[in-house]
Amino acid sequence: QVQLQESGPGLVKPSETLSLTCTVSGGSINSFYWSWIRQPPGKALEWIGYIFYNGNTNYSPSLQSRVTISLDTSKNKFSLKLTSVTEADTAVYYCARVVVAGNIDSWGQGTLVTVSS
Amino acid sequence: SYVLTQPPSVSVAPGKTARITCGGNNIASKSVHWYQQRPGQAPVLVIYYDTDRPSGIPERFSGSNSGNTATLTISRVEAGDEADYYCQVWDSYGDVGVFGGGTKLTVL
Repeated sequence: QVQLQESGPGLVKPSETLSLTCTVSGGSINSFYWSWIRQPPGKALEWIGYIFYNGNTNYSPSLQSRVTISLDTSKNKFSLKLTSVTEADTAVYYCARVVVAGNIDSWGQGTLVTVSS
Repeated sequence: SYVLTQPPSVSVAPGKTARITCGGNNIASKSVHWYQQRPGQAPVLVIYYDTDRPSGIPERFSGSNSGNTATLTISRVEAGDEADYYCQVWDSYGDVGVFGGGTKLTVL
């Protein structure tokens, strides 16, 4: 069974870049869609974007100008970069696998990223 | 972008039936998926393709989708069902996933 694990700094300063990595184990990253989702404290889930195993990406319109998702197939990892962060970007960030139906069948445990000076 | 609307909260007594709705423009033309999220945990898929249950999800969980409303139904509600529930679709126009605002299910 595939497992996903997020890693990265838990604290980022305003105006800086948030960087997270998701390590995939128990399965190959060379198929499916791989996504990032976030959840501000006490709020709803928000889809950030995805990367397909062939490298194609797409992002939420509200974040598109600040987001980059990339893939490292040799290490079975994919990454998220979010630039020019503000306190509004404070959230639990989840990495996830999206299957053909468009639903998520596997989630990471989530990692809290706080934006604060 | 496509918008999904859920009631903020639903309350139900143990043993009764809970119905959580998810509204969207012609949502019946899309596949709707439902997730359960307990406090401090990652979401768990409970319904996909409108009506299908992943292995390990009790038969008490069922889904339907018609017109502008999809519904998650939980029969014989138990205390352990208390959680936040989110509906989700794939917005084919924007080519991105979309979540509803979530519904907090309270078991009285």
